Amino acid sequence: AQTVTQSQPEMSVQEAETVTLSCTYDTSESDYYLFWYKQPPSRQMILVIRQEAYKQQNATENRFSVNFQKAAKSFSLKISDSQLGDAAMYFCAYRSARTQGGSEKLVFGKGTKLTVNP
Amino acid sequence: DAGVTQSPTHLIKTRGQQVTLRCSPKSGHDTVSWYQQALGQGPQFIFQYYEEEERQRGNFPDRFSGHQFPNYSSELNVNALLLGDSALYLCASSLVGTAAGEQYFGPGTRLTVT
Repeated sequence: AQTVTQSQPEMSVQEAETVTLSCTYDTSESDYYLFWYKQPPSRQMILVIRQEAYKQQNATENRFSVNFQKAAKSFSLKISDSQLGDAAMYFCAYRSARTQGGSEKLVFGKGTKLTVNP
Repeated sequence: DAGVTQSPTHLIKTRGQQVTLRCSPKSGHDTVSWYQQALGQGPQFIFQYYEEEERQRGNFPDRFSGHQFPNYSSELNVNALLLGDSALYLCASSLVGTAAGEQYFGPGTRLTVT
């Protein structure tokens, strides 16, 4: 079974600074997807960024980028120019690329609480 | 474009009772997944519905059951509620055939069992 580990329960960053959230995962599969989701106090889980395992190039979405190290099974999220609105719980998630008549389940880590200080 | 909606927002039930939670997927989506998120934890997969059938199931007892309707909306039923069932229940929808099968989440239903 796949597992996702986020070793940083809490992180803080100054507004306009850069922060990196860590995620490692364990799988025997070679084809999969990795995601970072943001969950603000409003509770709604929002997709931040996605990485396909077969792509060597790291994904980027505006101020958010990832460092995907497939051999090390590491998938970190970098937030540049942090804003107050970035404060939230961040979850790393894994999804197999196999399909069984439907989308495969997401396996989540326990999350990292990010605080942004003004 | 309507996103994923869930009802009710909050619910308080007594131990031993039964509860039904509802979810309407994002427009154009055909698959619904349910997750349980205990306080301070990441979401745990309960089950997934596609073509009105349960396609995958996580490590949850048979007290947890569901249904998907022809319009792709879904219900999650929990029988014989336990205190440990208190959690945020998240519904996510997706579309079969899309490359990453990205799941879009609803705002959740907060269930409190007393």
